[in-house]
Amino acid sequence: GAGVSQSPSNKVTEKGKDVELRCDPISGHTALYWYRQSLGQGLEFLIYFQGNSAPDKSGLPSDRFSAERTGGSVSTLTIQRTQQEDSAVYLCASSFNNYGYTFGSGTRLTVV
Amino acid sequence: ELKVEQNPLFLSMQEGKNYTIYCNYSTTSDRLYWYRQDPGKSLESLFVLLSNGAVKQEGRLMASLDTKARLSTLHITAAVHDLSATYFCAVDPVDNYGQNFVFGPGTRLSVLP
Repeated sequence: GAGVSQSPSNKVTEKGKDVELRCDPISGHTALYWYRQSLGQGLEFLIYFQGNSAPDKSGLPSDRFSAERTGGSVSTLTIQRTQQEDSAVYLCASSFNNYGYTFGSGTRLTVV
Repeated sequence: ELKVEQNPLFLSMQEGKNYTIYCNYSTTSDRLYWYRQDPGKSLESLFVLLSNGAVKQEGRLMASLDTKARLSTLHITAAVHDLSATYFCAVDPVDNYGQNFVFGPGTRLSVLP
């Protein structure tokens, strides 16, 4: 596609429920990243995928968070047993070579 | 561990004035990126700086990179209200190129009439 597509754009969920966030990167971009941005804050790295290599999961805050990338394209970030502190905007980005990231529009997650 | 700092974190300036935002980082890198974020929006790429001495300009914004000083600047010339946004720098660490960038905390810019 022309850009990085994320869905849903907004998600309100009850505490304790599981959620899945989807990211469809730019076609041909081999690298895909997930970041989290809390209100008024900077970006917190979560996970990075590069081609068929094992993902770098070093930024995942707890074992409730997991992500996969199927066929080297679409990625799903799953948060199990959501907590209120998980409320944030989840940003996905993809890249090719050294030209930096292209970000999606994000998913705003609210845990109530 | 790579740390990226920005200065100032908040900036309020009048239209027509000039100002510079600074981005310092703690370890070797010659790849630095600037992004803009409008309230409630995602991040938009502004500049890609890939070598020492690199300078890029777009409209009223100019970015430069000094890898020896581990410093990048984003200079604003004759500010206009439309430039109000949060500006982030991001560094690609040399020992881990292409993996996760480390972002600065952002500089929230308000341009007042």
